[in-house]
Amino acid sequence: AQSVAQPEDQVNVAEGNPLTVKCTYSVSGNPYLFWYVQYPNRGLQFLLKYITGDNLVKGSYGFEAEFNKSQTSFHLKKPSALVSDSALYFCAVRDIGGNTDKLIFGTGTRLQVFP
Amino acid sequence: GAGVSQTPSNKVTEKGKYVELRCDPISGHTALYWYRQSLGQGPEFLIYFQGTGAADDSGLPNDRFFAVRPEGSVSTLKIQRTERGDSAVYLCASSPDPLREQYFGPGTRLTVT
Repeated sequence: AQSVAQPEDQVNVAEGNPLTVKCTYSVSGNPYLFWYVQYPNRGLQFLLKYITGDNLVKGSYGFEAEFNKSQTSFHLKKPSALVSDSALYFCAVRDIGGNTDKLIFGTGTRLQVFP
Repeated sequence: GAGVSQTPSNKVTEKGKYVELRCDPISGHTALYWYRQSLGQGPEFLIYFQGTGAADDSGLPNDRFFAVRPEGSVSTLKIQRTERGDSAVYLCASSPDPLREQYFGPGTRLTVT
């Protein structure tokens, strides 16, 4: 079965510092990995995805993620955090096969950026 | 262009009542998904439509839950005999094809009292 794990409930970082939000995955076959962000009282917004190709994926709002097959990880990163980046971040793996097509989400990591 | 819309944004109902939640996907998106997000959790898959048909409804928790998409566009999630445990945010998403990202609506917050 496909799954992702986000080991940190919360990540705190000072504005201007680099940030990392961790995600590890367990899949059978090729992984299709995604990061979404959720602001209060709003829906999920797509940040970036890995399907194939370069291991470093660039996405919206200056975020990037590094796909590491040997460590089965897909950590989200940003070189310089902003207070406005404070939100809930979800890693997800897409389960496609047979009749199914669905996202399987992690439990989320709350990012708090302090001024 | 317009994103995924969901109505109502909030729904409060009494235990045992019937509710309908509506999703308007992005125009032209053939795939539509429903998820449920409980407090402090990630979204959990409920059902996936490809066109008018439910291709995968394995995430529906029991037979009180049902969803339709009769014309391949708007979808309605129906919950019969609501229970307090059904309280959650119900999210709808659409996608143009399986390798593209899913675009989520703002959700419907359902509270069963």
